[in-house]
Amino acid sequence: AQTVTQSQPEMSVQEAETVTLSCTYDTSESNYYLFWYKQPPSRQMILVIRQEAYKQQNATENRFSVNFQKAAKSFSLKISDSQLGDTAMYFCAFGPGNNRKLIWGLGTSLAVNP
Amino acid sequence: DAGVIQSPRHEVTEMGQEVTLRCKPISGHNSLFWYRQTMMRGLELLIYFNNNVPIDDSGMPEDRFSAKMPNASFSTLKIQPSEPRDSAVYFCASRGLAGAGADTQYFGPGTRLTVL
Repeated sequence: AQTVTQSQPEMSVQEAETVTLSCTYDTSESNYYLFWYKQPPSRQMILVIRQEAYKQQNATENRFSVNFQKAAKSFSLKISDSQLGDTAMYFCAFGPGNNRKLIWGLGTSLAVNP
Repeated sequence: DAGVIQSPRHEVTEMGQEVTLRCKPISGHNSLFWYRQTMMRGLELLIYFNNNVPIDDSGMPEDRFSAKMPNASFSTLKIQPSEPRDSAVYFCASRGLAGAGADTQYFGPGTRLTVL
């Protein structure tokens, strides 16, 4: 069965510092997608970044970047220059390549402290 | 684009009443997902549709829950009769089936349901 594991239930970081959230997954598929979603206190689920498994280059979106290690089945999220608005729950998700449902991690609660 | 639209945003009802949640997906998207989120159980997929057809309803808790998608621009999730344990935030998400970013789900703002 496909699974997604986020081993850090809670994390905290000082404003302007860098933090890395970990995510590992298990699959036998070769074609898939990986996602990080952010859920701030407003509850809105917001896409942060996506990665296609066939691409070796790590995805980046402004201060957010990933470290995708396909062989290790690892997909960590790095947030640089953390801001107070980054305080949120972060979910990692695995998407099979044939339009099936996403497999979700349990989330990491990130607090950015002033 | 207006994004995924859900209504109502908040619903408070009494046990035993019927509750209907509504969702309008992003125009042109072909897949629609209903999720439930609670502190105890986290984010759970209830059901999803491709091209208006239910594909996987294994997450629907019991017969009290039903979902329909009569056309590409509208879906409902109905709970009848409602129970206090149904209190949760219910999200709708949509996804395209082709083209760039077709793998990505976009979420609505959610409906916070409270059953007294």
